[in-house]
This record gives sequence, structure tokens and C-alpha cells, in this order.
Amino acid sequence: DAKTTQPPSMDCAEGRAANLPCNHSTISGNEYVYWYRQIHSQGPQYIIHGLKNNETNEMASLIITEDRKSSTLILPHATLRDTAVYYCIEANDYKLSFGAGTTVTVRA
Amino acid sequence: KAGVTQTPRYLIKTRGQQVTLSCSPISGHRSVSWYQQTPGQGLQFLFEYFSETQRNKGNFPGRFSGRQFSNSRSEMNVSTLELGDSALYLCASSLAAGTYTDTQYFGPGTRLTVL
Repeated sequence: DAKTTQPPSMDCAEGRAANLPCNHSTISGNEYVYWYRQIHSQGPQYIIHGLKNNETNEMASLIITEDRKSSTLILPHATLRDTAVYYCIEANDYKLSFGAGTTVTVRA
Repeated sequence: KAGVTQTPRYLIKTRGQQVTLSCSPISGHRSVSWYQQTPGQGLQFLFEYFSETQRNKGNFPGRFSGRQFSNSRSEMNVSTLELGDSALYLCASSLAAGTYTDTQYFGPGTRLTVL
């Protein structure tokens, strides 16, 4: 079962940064935080993952609090194509336990 | 490098029939996982295969089964289809099984409709 908590929805203006919060207060010491997104009816797309250090790639940045109980995914310059459901997941060994995610709508 | 491919993309079956879905992982990936996505239950883990062996299984009835071939390609089978089996079936591949840093990459899915 999913162990992360995310807001159900959020809006973002095109061209602005989108900050997506996630609570994972029960995460264990060696579990990674993964972020995926799913555009309507497509397969989930990997975005980024991290353990305890902040991470950045060409898609996004991941900020993890020092106590590892929460994290924030940052999309630096949101575009209309970033409209999707974003999932924050505690990676458990062999499977990904998806919750309901956050529906992000980017508006022009 | 080509991504994960799934065939067919769409399928319509009737209750009581059986269905086989196919997944080709990213080249070099040895682990294949299957997930079911429905509006009511969301994305749920079905099972995972590594080196032709089912290593892990989710909480689904025995009507759901799978296998993996020596080239890492995988199939899943659903027998005696029920209306509730209508879903998007997703396949994901990763380099190896059972490591926290082993990123899973998903295919586009197979949309199964049971009438």
C-alpha cells in the first residue's frame, strides 16, 4: 500500500516553477523516494529519485528534507505538456506502490 | 535505445475468455514487472520476473499468471475474464531485480476491455 501523502491537485501558471510536496514520514533508512508522472492513459514516466541528497536532472529537481520525512519535486519552468498526475513513491525493493498522486494542471 | 514495448495496445474480449499480453523490455534489462491500473484501485503491482523466474507476486487471484523468456521478454495471461478485469495493463523493465536504485521504466500499456 502507498505510504506517501500528496495533495490531490494543484494548478500552475505556464513558465513558472511548480513545487509539488510529498510527505513520507514512515520511510526507512535505505528506501529511495521516486517520482513518476502519468499523462492521461499513457504509461508512467520516470522523473527523478533520491535517497537523502538533493538531486537534479534535465526534467526536475528533488529536494529532500534532512529528516527525510518529506520532499518537494520542482519543475523549474512548467509547460502545458507538464499537465499530468505526479506520483511520489517510496521504492520498496521490487515494486512501486502508487498512491493517488497529485493532478497538476498547467494553465496558459 | 528503444523503450519498453507492449502488444497489443488495445484489446476487446468477452467474459469467460482468456487473454495474453506481451511485453518487450528495454535492451539489457532483465527484470520485468506488471501492473494493473483501474479507475477504482489505481496502479497495483501484479508480479515481477527476473531470469525467467517469478520472484515476487502481488495480491491477485490465480487467474493472473505470467512468464518470462530467455530473452527477457514477458507475457501475462488472464484466464476466465471478468468484467472487473477491464483495465490498463502496464509493463515495466529494469536492469536487475530487487535493488532500491533500480529504476523501472514503463511501456505504453495494453488497454483491455471485457464485455
